[in-house]
Amino acid sequence: QVQLVESGGGVVQPGGSLRLSCAASGFTFSSYGMHWVRQAPGKGLEWVAFIRYDGSNKYYADSVKGRFTISRDNSKNTLYLQMNSLRAEDTAVYYCAKDRGSFYADWYFDLWGRGTLVTVSS
Amino acid sequence: DIQMTQSPSSLSASVGDRVTITCRASQSISSYLNWYQQKPGKAPKLLIYAASSLQSGVPSRFSGSGSGTDFTLTISSLQPEDFATYYCQQSYSTPSITFGQGTRLEIK
Repeated sequence: QVQLVESGGGVVQPGGSLRLSCAASGFTFSSYGMHWVRQAPGKGLEWVAFIRYDGSNKYYADSVKGRFTISRDNSKNTLYLQMNSLRAEDTAVYYCAKDRGSFYADWYFDLWGRGTLVTVSS
Repeated sequence: DIQMTQSPSSLSASVGDRVTITCRASQSISSYLNWYQQKPGKAPKLLIYAASSLQSGVPSRFSGSGSGTDFTLTISSLQPEDFATYYCQQSYSTPSITFGQGTRLEIK
C-alpha cells in the first residue's frame, strides 16, 4: 500500500526540540525528493523543507531556516524533521509529502501523510 | 516570494452546479500552477498539476486552465464529495514555493 505515516508530534515548550518521522511504503522511496508542509490550526498550507532523493540537497523556508533540519534514511524508507528552538508560531499539523517527480523534483506533491500535530506552548 | 491570491475565499453552491475558482499570481509563473483539495481533518490531495493536467484517479469533472498570472479550477458538475477547501500552489519559484490562502466550497 502506497502511504506515508508521520509520527513524533506532541506538546513542547517554547525553545524546546522535537523530531518528526515519516515512514514511507509502497513506492521506491530512494527515488523521490520529499517535503514537509505544515498547516497551523484553521490556516492554510505552508511549505517547510525539501530534501533531494539522495539527501544531497536540502532547502528550507525562511521561517524555519537555522532551526529545523530535514534528513532521510533511504535504508529505512524514513524521512525526518528535527525541530529546535521551537516557537508558538510553529504550532501546526506537519505533513510529509512526496514530490511527484522521480529524481528531478517537480516541487508539487502527489502523496501526503495524515499529518502529526505539534503544539508549542508553556 | 510570489504571492498567490485565490478568489473567492468562500462560496456556496449546490449539487450539479458548475463552479469556478480563480488563482492569481503576483508575477508570471508560466504554467507552474497546481491545485489541491482538502477535506476537514484530512491531508490535501493533488487534483491538477502544471495548470491543466489531471492527476491520475481524479474525476474528469475537475479541470484547470490558465498561464502567466491567472488560473482557474473548474468543477463541471458538483458532487456531494466535492465540498472541501481548495488550494492553488505555484512551483515556479523554487525553493520558495507558495500556496494560495484557500477557497472553502460549501453546500448551499
